Amino acid sequence: NAGVTQTPKFQVLKTGQSMTLQCAQDMNHEYMSWYRQDPGMGLRLIHYSVGAGITDQGEVPNGYNVSRSTTEDFPLRLLSAAPSQTSVYFCASSYSESGAYNEQFFGPGTRLTVL
Amino acid sequence: AQKVTQAQTEISVVEKEDVTLDCVYETRDTTYYLFWYKQPPSGELVFLIRRNSFDEQNEISGRYSWNFQKSTSSFNFTITASQVVDSAVYFCALSGGAGSSASKIIFGSGTRLSIRP
Repeated sequence: NAGVTQTPKFQVLKTGQSMTLQCAQDMNHEYMSWYRQDPGMGLRLIHYSVGAGITDQGEVPNGYNVSRSTTEDFPLRLLSAAPSQTSVYFCASSYSESGAYNEQFFGPGTRLTVL
Repeated sequence: AQKVTQAQTEISVVEKEDVTLDCVYETRDTTYYLFWYKQPPSGELVFLIRRNSFDEQNEISGRYSWNFQKSTSSFNFTITASQVVDSAVYFCALSGGAGSSASKIIFGSGTRLSIRP
């Protein structure tokens, strides 16, 4: 199993450009999420999905879109990048038992710089 | 709304000392889950423990132990006889037990632990 994979590992954008951060998991987990990590701010939840076709907003959703057309993939789209979106982005997946989620498995992260 | 507070931004101790990382949480749910993760300098996030709100027994795993106290809404993490390899950022996290609150897994801001040889 590859676990959770993220591409690219590094990306530099100019303000106003758009891009998609890719995330895939091969563990058949129904739950997937995106976090951003900024110094002193910890991990902040951007969007999450509890299954294919279902997405919802987290703590800091503005400027980001997501979709979940398959169980495996959960891409994160930046429509018009801003310097405030410079961060490290982590994708994670998990599975539920009795309605609650177990440990999250995290990808290696994407380091994004917006100039 | 759920919230996790890790008031200790950075801690530095000498190797072999014991160190406790604090985690205080807020939730209105009666059933909830608490987590600890470790992020070593290499950057990956490593799961350490998950605890549900009905189990207040302390957990011990080798040099690691966790103290869960509902009365003070705290889930503290202690490393006994710390080692240089314990140097990392440690995150505490919280999720609800069911429904929509189970799906929002919220993290604290993390505590950077440095172990000096």
